[in-house]
This record gives sequence, C-alpha cells and structure tokens, in this order.
Amino acid sequence: GAVVSQHPSWVICKSGTSVKIECRSLDFQATTMFWYRQFPKQSLMLMATSNEGSKATYEQGVEKDKFLINHASLTLSTLTVTSAHPEDSSFYICSARPVAETQYFGPGTRLLVL
Amino acid sequence: RKEVEQDPGPFNVPEGATVAFNCTYSNSASQSFFWYRQDCRKEPKLLMSVYSSGNEDGRFTAQLNRASQYISLLIRDSKLSDSATYLCVVSSGYSTLTFGKGTMLLVSP
Repeated sequence: GAVVSQHPSWVICKSGTSVKIECRSLDFQATTMFWYRQFPKQSLMLMATSNEGSKATYEQGVEKDKFLINHASLTLSTLTVTSAHPEDSSFYICSARPVAETQYFGPGTRLLVL
Repeated sequence: RKEVEQDPGPFNVPEGATVAFNCTYSNSASQSFFWYRQDCRKEPKLLMSVYSSGNEDGRFTAQLNRASQYISLLIRDSKLSDSATYLCVVSSGYSTLTFGKGTMLLVSP
C-alpha cells in the first residue's frame, strides 16, 4: 500500500514551546492530507483537512491559530502546535489520500508537553 | 447519540475462537464503511472495506446492513496476532472519516 511518513515520531517539550510535525507521502502525490488527534482510549478525531496550495479546513472546536497547517507541496503537510500546553499532549496522526475514499495513515507522533 | 458506536470490550478469547464485533452509525447518508485495525501505540491500518453484499478476506468477514445502520466484523480461527483494537469507520463520501472508539481484542494461547 501507499506509504506515509511522519517526523518526529515522538516529542517531549516544555510548556510554551512550539512543535512542528511533518507528514510526507513517499510514493504518491496527495492534494489532500488529514490531521487527526487521538487521546488515550479515545477514537481518532479529525482536526483539519489540509489542502495543497490553499488554507486548511478546521473542524469545529479546533483553534486554527493554535494548530497551524501548511501544505506547501503535493507530498508534504506540516502541523505546528504553537505554545503547546500539557493538555495538547496527544497522539497526532496524519493521513493522505491517493485515491477516492482510501486513506493511508502515517505512523503518528506522540507529543508530551511538560 | 455518537456518530459511530462500538462495544469497547475488551474481548478476551482463546486461540481458534470465533469473535464478532458490532458497530452502529447514526448518519443515514453515510456511503462508505471500513474496518481498521490499530495496534498499541501505532497508526490505524485498513483491514477491509465493507459492502452491502458482504465481503470476506480469509478469516475475516464484514457485513453491512444499511436499513439498520449496522456493521459487523467476524474473525474466525483467531490468532495471537489478531490481538489489537478494531476500529469501525464511516465516511459520508467526501473523504472525511469518522472513527468509532474501537473494540479491543485480546487473543490468548
């Protein structure tokens, strides 16, 4: 299947710092990528849809100024958690869609904010 | 009512057992249905799509009942490696996937 990578795989940072997570589609071009967040024992929750060359579409309740998304190329989307706080600690997963309806997920990034 | 509901489990079964997972969804306009598997601390991976006619992939059988808004997954002859969380996923047709919380399966020797 299609390959999606994420970097870094885990991050530990102090409260107040900003963290950037990269999502890359390695063997296909993706005009659309998705960012999810998963808290322990919870389902994946869509945060935003990242569109190449245009602004991201955020889900209700997700602060666009806090979670900055940039999709500058057909193979790269970045999520920046600005001024991270302990409540932002979570498992962040991106996905990309090479064909209609099928999404392939990256391996995820574990963020721990102290 | 949650959009996608699943029994959280865990389901503890011995090797070789048959286990069934159920899922209900609330949006009658949903068009695509999937089962994903998620191992601990890993990303979800597509297990199989679900069709109204039912579909089978080896030991795995998925069924969809649109009238009842109900999806099922049957695993026959369980293996230790089947231990994971199984996610019921529904799509309205515009790429957005809605995930259930998942049902945890523990297969023991």
